[in-house]
Amino acid sequence: AQSVTQLDSQVPVFEEAPVELRCNYSSSVSVYLFWYVQYPNQGLQLLLKYLSGSTLVESINGFEAEFNKSQTSFHLRKPSVHISDTAEYFCAVTPSRNQGGKLIFGQGTELSVKP
Amino acid sequence: NAGVTQTPKFQVLKTGQSMTLQCAQDMNHNSMYWYRQDPGMGLRLIYYSASEGTTDKGEVPNGYNVSRLNKREFSLRLESAAPSQTSVYFCASSGTGIVYGYTFGSGTRLTVV
Repeated sequence: AQSVTQLDSQVPVFEEAPVELRCNYSSSVSVYLFWYVQYPNQGLQLLLKYLSGSTLVESINGFEAEFNKSQTSFHLRKPSVHISDTAEYFCAVTPSRNQGGKLIFGQGTELSVKP
Repeated sequence: NAGVTQTPKFQVLKTGQSMTLQCAQDMNHNSMYWYRQDPGMGLRLIYYSASEGTTDKGEVPNGYNVSRLNKREFSLRLESAAPSQTSVYFCASSGTGIVYGYTFGSGTRLTVV
């Protein structure tokens, strides 16, 4: 079975500061990894994903995440955040060999960007 | 360009009442899922349907039933609502192989009093 731990429930940060949202996973098989973002009162939107290949993946709005197999981590980073990045972020994992395509989500991290 | 549509958006039930949450997708996805979201607990899988005609239990299935009516529609039923089922419910769908991730609906906020 897989599990995901997001190490920070809340991350307050000032605008234009860098941020890192931490995600660790547990799995005995190879996995796909995802980050989703949820803006207030909305559903979840895919931010970025790691399937294979380069361990550094990027989103269109400046976020990036690095897959570290030895540390079983997939931390999300942004060098300079904006007020509009305020949202809840979820890390998720699924086995890379199809087992019904079930995503296992972490508990979520609330990113609060202050002016 | 609807994606995944959930109805209703809000609902208040009394303990013991029943209701069905509706979900429909127009992306020709094979797999559909129901999750509940509770503060500090992330999203937990209730039931899923890997393909039309099949359904399976997830992490927290007790108190719920599902129906995969056809490829487009996947409904979630609460037969006898309890206060512990107060939550935000999300439906999601995915194509074959999960490589594109899920597409989520906008959610149903359910309160059981």
